[in-house]
Amino acid sequence: QSALTQPASVSGSPGQSITISCTGISSDVVAYKYVSWYQQHPGKAPKVIIYGVSNRPSGVSNRFSGSKSANTASLTISGLQAEDEADYYCSTYTSRSTLLFGGGTKLTVL
Amino acid sequence: EVQLVQSGAEVKKPGESLRISCKGSGYNFPSYWITWVRLMPGKGLEWMGRIDPSDSYTNYSPSFQGHVTLSVDKSTSTAYLQWSSLKASDTAMYYCARQHDISYFYSIDVWGQGTTVTVSS
Repeated sequence: QSALTQPASVSGSPGQSITISCTGISSDVVAYKYVSWYQQHPGKAPKVIIYGVSNRPSGVSNRFSGSKSANTASLTISGLQAEDEADYYCSTYTSRSTLLFGGGTKLTVL
Repeated sequence: EVQLVQSGAEVKKPGESLRISCKGSGYNFPSYWITWVRLMPGKGLEWMGRIDPSDSYTNYSPSFQGHVTLSVDKSTSTAYLQWSSLKASDTAMYYCARQHDISYFYSIDVWGQGTTVTVSS
């Protein structure tokens, strides 16, 4: 089963934009369409912020956006705020009907 | 309010069995899959498997197949994660979550609060 690779950490200053990549998305049609992103603050349960590559659930700030190009999915956070400091995970649904998570990226707001 | 409420923290010895629970409320429980996710200390999220409450169909990650068992009781809207013989390496936080089917791109939209399992002699 393919692995999803994320940078271990990224950082940015308040007001800046950052992008977190998620590589290894299979060319398989199933995996291509079903990328989600989750935010997890320490000691809290994860929260979905993007599903279906670029869809944002109701209540999630429009500062969060998702995209995909070739075998890489990306999460962009614009106008960084202190509250965005958290761990971020990409995930995809595979052709074997399993879910796969990336290794996670720790975002530090400087 | 849609929510998943998990059972409390557990402390067990290696070789013991354990079953933790996840009770859904505020929605039609059989209509959404329940997925289980492990978070080990200092590590990332790992998908363990999922169960369809409507028919108890299960799908496991190869990493967890044979080591855990998923089950569900529709009458009480409760899902279970079970071990028959715990190992110290099972020490982790375990989350249950509501997973959508293809209609919402197989995403997870509701999470339980997590159950901490500690396995130590």
